[in-house]
Amino acid sequence: GAGVSQTPSNKVTEKGKYVELRCDPISGHTALYWYRQSLGQGPEFLIYFQGTGAADDSGLPNDRFFAVRPEGSVSTLKIQRTERGDSAVYLCASSFDGASNYGYTFGSGTRLTVV
Amino acid sequence: GQQVMQIPQYQHVQEGEDFTTYCNSSTTLSNIQWYKQRPGGHPVFLIQLVKSGEVKKQKRLTFQFGEAKKNSSLHITATQTTDVGTYFCAYSGAGSYQLTFGKGTKLSVIP
Repeated sequence: GAGVSQTPSNKVTEKGKYVELRCDPISGHTALYWYRQSLGQGPEFLIYFQGTGAADDSGLPNDRFFAVRPEGSVSTLKIQRTERGDSAVYLCASSFDGASNYGYTFGSGTRLTVV
Repeated sequence: GQQVMQIPQYQHVQEGEDFTTYCNSSTTLSNIQWYKQRPGGHPVFLIQLVKSGEVKKQKRLTFQFGEAKKNSSLHITATQTTDVGTYFCAYSGAGSYQLTFGKGTKLSVIP
């Protein structure tokens, strides 16, 4: 598609529930990133994919967070046993190459609210 | 770890006034990128600087990378209400894939 698409745009879930957030990157972009942005803060790195593999998942806060990109295109961020502290905007971005030489193109994000 | 400090955190200007935000690092950066995020929106890439002393212009926006590659600035001439938003600097290591963002400078423009 023309841009990075993220669904859903908003998600409200109860504490303890499981959620999945989807990202459809720009066609041809091999690098895909997940970031999390809390109110008043800059985006915080979570995980980076180059193709199908997670090249760096060092930003995932704990083992409740997991992400996949099985065919090297669409990615899903999965959060188990959600906690109120997980509430944030989850941003997906893609870039033509993993070295970010041309900047990232971000999606509109998924606003996750855990109640 | 390495991080960048952005100042000021907030800036309120009268429409038509100039605006500058600064991004400072204690260590040398291989590159710096600037993003703009409108209220309720997502970050949008503006520019990347990689060379010492580099200056780039985009219409009313001027971006600079310091000679020591430890600081950068974004200057907007004659602000307009469309300039409202938060401006973030971000950097990655040489050949790296991970961007680290500053906390941003939130610009308000009073018409």
